[in-house]
Amino acid sequence: EVQLVESGGGLVQPGGSLRLSCAASGFTFYTYWMSWVRQAPGKGLEWVANIRQDGSEKWYVDSVKGRFTISRDNAKNSVYLQMNSLRVEDTAVYYCARLMISVVRGVKYYYGMDVWGQGTTVTVSS
Amino acid sequence: QSVLTQPPSVSAAPGQKVTISCSGSSSNIGNNYVSWYQQLPGAAPKLLIYDNNKRPSGIPDRFSGSKSGTSATLDITGLQTGDEADYYCGTWDSSLSGGQGVFGGGTKLTVL
Repeated sequence: EVQLVESGGGLVQPGGSLRLSCAASGFTFYTYWMSWVRQAPGKGLEWVANIRQDGSEKWYVDSVKGRFTISRDNAKNSVYLQMNSLRVEDTAVYYCARLMISVVRGVKYYYGMDVWGQGTTVTVSS
Repeated sequence: QSVLTQPPSVSAAPGQKVTISCSGSSSNIGNNYVSWYQQLPGAAPKLLIYDNNKRPSGIPDRFSGSKSGTSATLDITGLQTGDEADYYCGTWDSSLSGGQGVFGGGTKLTVL
């Protein structure tokens, strides 16, 4: 069964750090781009970060640039999100997702996210 | 404000058809593929449509997607009470350096 399982969420004070993990199973993890998407309480989805199959290319939404770092360990079939300098507005459920993307002559075509984890909750509060 | 505009809510009776719109611009929907997601209450999003109009295996053909110019549409026919959920469109926006992944604000479907 194709599956993504997130962990690492919790309560942290503003300015603190957390590291989220996402364990993949049931598919050839190293052949896929991966993403993190978050959803603040009662709000819509926000696309946070992407990482290429070999980790050589990463993208971040402006609001987390310089504070969050996406990484992966293909030997462990896992993707991570290191979150530093956390703010109250980072409070959300964080989902990892498998990204369907093709790259043709350097141009990326994004088709969608076909597998999602159950999410892990991050609460930033004093 | 989301880059992609969706109606906040739609409703219809069981068995009827509902259409959810997603409006964007040439930098996003106009030049990139659109995907649609269903989020049932308390659950993670689930892919319904990718590449504008393709259904993953296991998604019934009651769900269909289309794109025209800078807008996309999700149609749901034969509505069931189990379709009550939030629906989101998503795509890539190429207007900024490096681009940006974007979602619509979501549409809450009520099956009356």
